[in-house]
Amino acid sequence: GESVGLHLPTLSVQEGDNSIINCAYSNSASDYFIWYKQESGKGPQFIIDIRSNMDKRQGQRVTVLLNKTVKHLSLQIAATQPGDSAVYFCAETINTGGFKTIFGAGTRLFVKA
Amino acid sequence: KAGVTQTPRYLIKTRGQQVTLSCSPISGHRSVSWYQQTPGQGLQFLFEYFSETQRNKGNFPGRFSGRQFSNSRSEMNVSTLELGDSALYLCASSLSSSPYEQYFGPGTRLTVT
Repeated sequence: GESVGLHLPTLSVQEGDNSIINCAYSNSASDYFIWYKQESGKGPQFIIDIRSNMDKRQGQRVTVLLNKTVKHLSLQIAATQPGDSAVYFCAETINTGGFKTIFGAGTRLFVKA
Repeated sequence: KAGVTQTPRYLIKTRGQQVTLSCSPISGHRSVSWYQQTPGQGLQFLFEYFSETQRNKGNFPGRFSGRQFSNSRSEMNVSTLELGDSALYLCASSLSSSPYEQYFGPGTRLTVT
């Protein structure tokens, strides 16, 4: 069946270092891939997305890489800050007339000061 | 502009009862999606509504239903509650021009005893 998973359930990094969160997906028909950040007690927050016809997209301090050959998605956070501590979800969205979003299991990022 | 609001924020119900959760999307957003979040299953897609029509549905039993009103507000209903329905129920809205960029509400924490 369709699934989106994560290689690392937890990630601990030093403040100022770069973070890389990885994700594997299984549906070749997905149109968009999105990264969300969820802080405790809040709903997920959109970070960045990438179309299936792209392989890289950059935002403010974040970069998403898409490798369709191996069905792999990654989120790179530059100069990680304590405020980046949260659970990060990758998600794939499939357009079926409407759209359906499938989330990965999530990776918890700890930033050590 | 106000964000996505969900009511109630917390709810305790007994097995066998039914529950209705409400979601008010961001003004101008016509697409509303619902998700169930649990520690064991993560974020799972329930359904998506656009212009009062359900366009997509996830793999949940028929006890889970929803609807959308003409003002884009949405409700979801769970009948004959089971212990396993205890979860955080999240609503997300998006613009029809950017359907993949979803904005989430804080969720409704449902506990079934």
